[in-house]
Amino acid sequence: GAVVSQHPSWVICKSGTSVKIECRSLDFQATTMFWYRQFPKQSLMLMATSNEGSKATYEQGVEKDKFLINHASLTLSTLTVTSAHPEDSSFYICSARDNTADTQYFGPGTRLTVL
Amino acid sequence: AQSVTQLGSHVSVSEGALVLLRCNYSSSVPPYLFWYVQYPNQGLQLLLKYTSAATLVKGINGFEAEFKKSETSFHLTKPSAHMSDAAEYFCAVSGTSGYALNFGKGTSLLVTP
Repeated sequence: GAVVSQHPSWVICKSGTSVKIECRSLDFQATTMFWYRQFPKQSLMLMATSNEGSKATYEQGVEKDKFLINHASLTLSTLTVTSAHPEDSSFYICSARDNTADTQYFGPGTRLTVL
Repeated sequence: AQSVTQLGSHVSVSEGALVLLRCNYSSSVPPYLFWYVQYPNQGLQLLLKYTSAATLVKGINGFEAEFKKSETSFHLTKPSAHMSDAAEYFCAVSGTSGYALNFGKGTSLLVTP
């Protein structure tokens, strides 16, 4: 089946630094990718919809200047957490929509810990 | 708008017993419904999905779910639980196939020997 990768799988950073998370569709093209975050023992919450070649659409309450999304190619979307703080510590999961199969595939997630 | 409600944040069954995880949906359009499983510190694995074809959907690992419009339900079942089924299960809904999902709060399944 289709595979979506995320890099890194986990990251620890100091408060105030920025962290970039990559989401790649390995064997299909994805015009649309989605970013979710999951707090411990909680469900996934949609943060934003990333569209190749255009600006991302953010959900209400998500700061676009803090969570920068870039979708420069049909196989790569990046999420940059700027000036990270401990409250940004979470599990970030991306998904990619296969253009041809009209199906969404999830990445394995990235665990971010901000000290 | 679409949403799902998962009844029971924790479900415990004995190994070999029936597994029943409940999910009710709310949708203003014909819904696409999904069940995902998540093991600790891992991403989501799709168990099955309903996309307006057959109302009884069979998935991986022996799971199945039945779409009941009259009850707005999409409960997940498995005839005989295995220890390896212990995980977090999420029900999700979308108004359009392949687009952003709204997830339920999840149900943690515990399987006891």
